Amino acid sequence: GAGVSQSPSNKVTEKGKDVELRCDPISGHTALYWYRQRLGQGLEFLIYFQGNSAPDKSGLPSDRFSAERTGESVSTLTIQRTQQEDSAVYLCASSALYWAGEDTQYFGPGTRLTVL
Amino acid sequence: AQTVTQSQPEMSVQEAETVTLSCTYDTSENNYYLFWYKQPPSRQMILVIRQEAYKQQNATENRFSVNFQKAAKSFSLKISDSQLGDTAMYFCAFRTTSGTYKYIFGTGTRLKVLA
Repeated sequence: GAGVSQSPSNKVTEKGKDVELRCDPISGHTALYWYRQRLGQGLEFLIYFQGNSAPDKSGLPSDRFSAERTGESVSTLTIQRTQQEDSAVYLCASSALYWAGEDTQYFGPGTRLTVL
Repeated sequence: AQTVTQSQPEMSVQEAETVTLSCTYDTSENNYYLFWYKQPPSRQMILVIRQEAYKQQNATENRFSVNFQKAAKSFSLKISDSQLGDTAMYFCAFRTTSGTYKYIFGTGTRLKVLA
C-alpha cells in the first residue's frame, strides 16, 4: 500500500519520439495531479483528475501533451513528438479529497525525462 | 488569478539555529489552504505543514511552525533547532476550496543547513 509510484524513474529519448509516463496513486485516492519541474525551478501544474475525469487541463503546455486516468487509479501522461524543452522531472501526486477539507497531496518520486 | 511568491531563492543557517522562510500569495478568496513542502536532494516531495485560512491559530509540527498573516497574505515557515537533514528546497503552495482544487506553487527556497 506504500505511496505514490511512478515509472520509469528515468527516461532518455530522442527528439520527435513519443513517451508515456505512468503514475500509480495511493489506493483509494480520488484526486491525481501531474506537475512538471524544470531544473532548478518550481512545480508547474499540468493537469488534475477527479476520479477519471479531468476538470482542469489548463496547465498542459501544448496539444502534444495528453493524460488519461482509468479505473480511478493509474494515470498515464503522454508527450508526443518530444522536444528538448520537454526535458524535466514529471511529478505525480494523489490526494484523498473526500471533501474539500482533506486533500493533502502525496507525491511520487518523479520521472526524469531527458530529450536528446 | 492566484499567485504565490517566495522571494528568497537561497538561504543558509547554522545547525541548531532558527531560520524563517517567507511566502506571500495573492487571492481574492476568503477560504483556502496553504502548505509548505520540502524537497530534499532525493527529489521526493514531503508535506511539512498545512494551514487552513479560516483558522486563526498558526499551525505547528514539531520544530516547524508558521506565521500566518491573512490580512497581509503572508505565510512564513519557521524552522527551529535546524538539523542537517533539513537541507532541501522548500516550496510554499496555495489551494482554493472551490473550483478545481488546483494547487499553485511558489518557485522555492533552497535551504542549506551548515554544520
